[in-house]
Amino acid sequence: NAGVMQNPRHLVRRRGQEARLRCSPMKGHSHVYWYRQLPEEGLKFMVYLQKENIIDESGMPKERFSAEFPKEGPSILRIQQVVRGDSAAYFCASSPRLAGAVYNEQFFGPGTRLTVL
Amino acid sequence: AQSVTQPDIHITVSEGASLELRCNYSYGATPYLFWYVQSPGQGLQLLLKYFSGDTLVQGIKGFEAEFKRSQSSFNLRKPSVHWSDAAEYFCAVGHGSSNTGKLIFGQGTTLQVKP
Repeated sequence: NAGVMQNPRHLVRRRGQEARLRCSPMKGHSHVYWYRQLPEEGLKFMVYLQKENIIDESGMPKERFSAEFPKEGPSILRIQQVVRGDSAAYFCASSPRLAGAVYNEQFFGPGTRLTVL
Repeated sequence: AQSVTQPDIHITVSEGASLELRCNYSYGATPYLFWYVQSPGQGLQLLLKYFSGDTLVQGIKGFEAEFKRSQSSFNLRKPSVHWSDAAEYFCAVGHGSSNTGKLIFGQGTTLQVKP
């Protein structure tokens, strides 16, 4: 059973370009979380999605950032008009969201390291 | 507001010595607590978790952690550190399934191991 997959692993963009980060959850997982890790900091929650729905986007910057998790295909985190401050590692985690479980464990992907020149 | 504090940013221990990494949390309800390890350039690996029950939990790689509600702490311990344990360690608290389940992370502790 493959783990959470993220691509690309490394992404370089110039200021003003768009960045698209992809996350394929583990098989059977229908819930995806995105986290951002700025240099020398811990991970910060960005957004939580289920298939075709955004459940919690309280951690997403108000502008330039968007996320989706379509019925088919990977989850996408999109950053428009990137700035140097967007340089970070972006991690995706997936969860099975089992009914009745007190907590559904999240399994993390290897991350995408975005560098904005 | 919920928060997690890891007071030690960097810790250096000698190989074979014991280790304790501190974690304090602020959370109104029953916390779901986690320790993750991150090797350079890698993703996060779950070391152990606490949901309920026995307050001393065992994890992988010989790690354990103790939940102390009175101190709002969940410190990670290992009796004898190996050079391969050098990494960054994150404590996290999770919202329960009645909420979104998102994790709140501490800022991390970088562990260096001296030969």
